[in-house]
Amino acid sequence: EDKVVQSPLSLVVHEGDTVTLNCSYEVTNFRSLLWYKQEKKAPTFLFMLTSSGIEKKSGRLSSILDKKELFSILNITATQTGDSAVYLCAGTTSGTYKYIFGTGTRLKVLA
Amino acid sequence: NAGVTQTPKFQVLKTGQSMTLQCAQDMNHEYMSWYRQDPGMGLRLIHYSVGAGITDQGEVPNGYNVSRSTTEDFPLRLLSAAPSQTSVYFCASSWSGGGAYEQYFGPGTRLTVT
Repeated sequence: EDKVVQSPLSLVVHEGDTVTLNCSYEVTNFRSLLWYKQEKKAPTFLFMLTSSGIEKKSGRLSSILDKKELFSILNITATQTGDSAVYLCAGTTSGTYKYIFGTGTRLKVLA
Repeated sequence: NAGVTQTPKFQVLKTGQSMTLQCAQDMNHEYMSWYRQDPGMGLRLIHYSVGAGITDQGEVPNGYNVSRSTTEDFPLRLLSAAPSQTSVYFCASSWSGGGAYEQYFGPGTRLTVT
């Protein structure tokens, strides 16, 4: 059975800290891994990763995929209170369009 | 473009009642899906569709029906509501053009079954 596991489940840090969120996956016919940010509404897209070792970066956020070890990490540097959210990762499969989501990491950034 | 729209935003049902959650997208996406989100459970796939006339079950399909008569619309029907179906429901759409599978989410419907 396909599954995506995220760790930690929750995290509390102070502004300015750097955090690393983990996502491991076991997905048949794996195609890509996506990261989403969810505040008190619908998830919003952050990154899509398809190739190992190529870092994707957007401002203070970056992510990388390791297809050999079947995991991805999301890094957030110089955290701000606005980064407080649930971060979701999802694996996708070739041909079926299915997304398998992890349970998310709840990040709280204290001022 | 309105993107993905869902109605209603909130709904309270009594056990045994039926209702339809509406979802529409105006991006001509072939793939649409329904998820439910419960505390600590992430997003769980209920049903999905890869095009008009084609639907399939996801991880938690029991108690729900879907149909896809047009590319734009993908309604979710609750046949006989149960308290266990209290959840937030998200509709999403995506396309495979250019190899992109980015999924766009609607704003969600918060359903309470008493």
